Amino acid sequence: EIVMTQSPATLSVSPGERATLSCRASQSVNSNFAWYQQKPGQAPRLLIYGASTRATGIPGRFSGNGSGTEFTLTISSLQSEDFAVYFCQQYNNWPLTFGGGTKVEIK
Amino acid sequence: EVQLLESGGGLVQPGGSLRLSCAASGFIFSSYAMSWVRQAPGKGLEWVSAISTSGASTYYTDSVKGRFTISRDNSKNTLFLQMNSLRAEDTAVYYCAKDLRQWMGNCFDDWGQGTLVTVSS
Repeated sequence: EIVMTQSPATLSVSPGERATLSCRASQSVNSNFAWYQQKPGQAPRLLIYGASTRATGIPGRFSGNGSGTEFTLTISSLQSEDFAVYFCQQYNNWPLTFGGGTKVEIK
Repeated sequence: EVQLLESGGGLVQPGGSLRLSCAASGFIFSSYAMSWVRQAPGKGLEWVSAISTSGASTYYTDSVKGRFTISRDNSKNTLFLQMNSLRAEDTAVYYCAKDLRQWMGNCFDDWGQGTLVTVSS
């Protein structure tokens, strides 16, 4: 099983600042990698797939980078609606696996 | 607009069974692989099971193999998860999720609102 490790667990950021989240895979997942956003009481929402392609309707301030084992999600200028938990996922191998999440909170 | 509506969750005793359903609309259900993903209270996401467009191929996470069965009825646009021999550690919100692509082994671009399964005596 591929283990996905996200860091940091919590990120405190002021509105308007840049946030960078990381995810590391225990072995290469090529670019079969996605990021999700989840707000309390809601289902996850797909942000990025293929490591760097924004999903439909996702604002341009979200960008994904990386391949192989190291991936980053950057939110260029945090808006109030961006404070949430972010999960990464690999879909290169079965079982599909998610990271433990990074909570982005208001500083 | 894609809609996925789960039902069938509830409180069940350890060793009991439940059958979850997911009614799909707004897309050609028979053209997409589907999955169930769960989230224990206050925890992260865990993929549970996936099924191909025809239902001929299925995958499971190890912890549910032999206990859970995924299936689909394309004539009724409905996904199912039969859960037997339930354990306390199966307690979670169960989400129905649509694969981004038509083939299996993807990320998920649409999710239901989830149904809570609580396993407790």
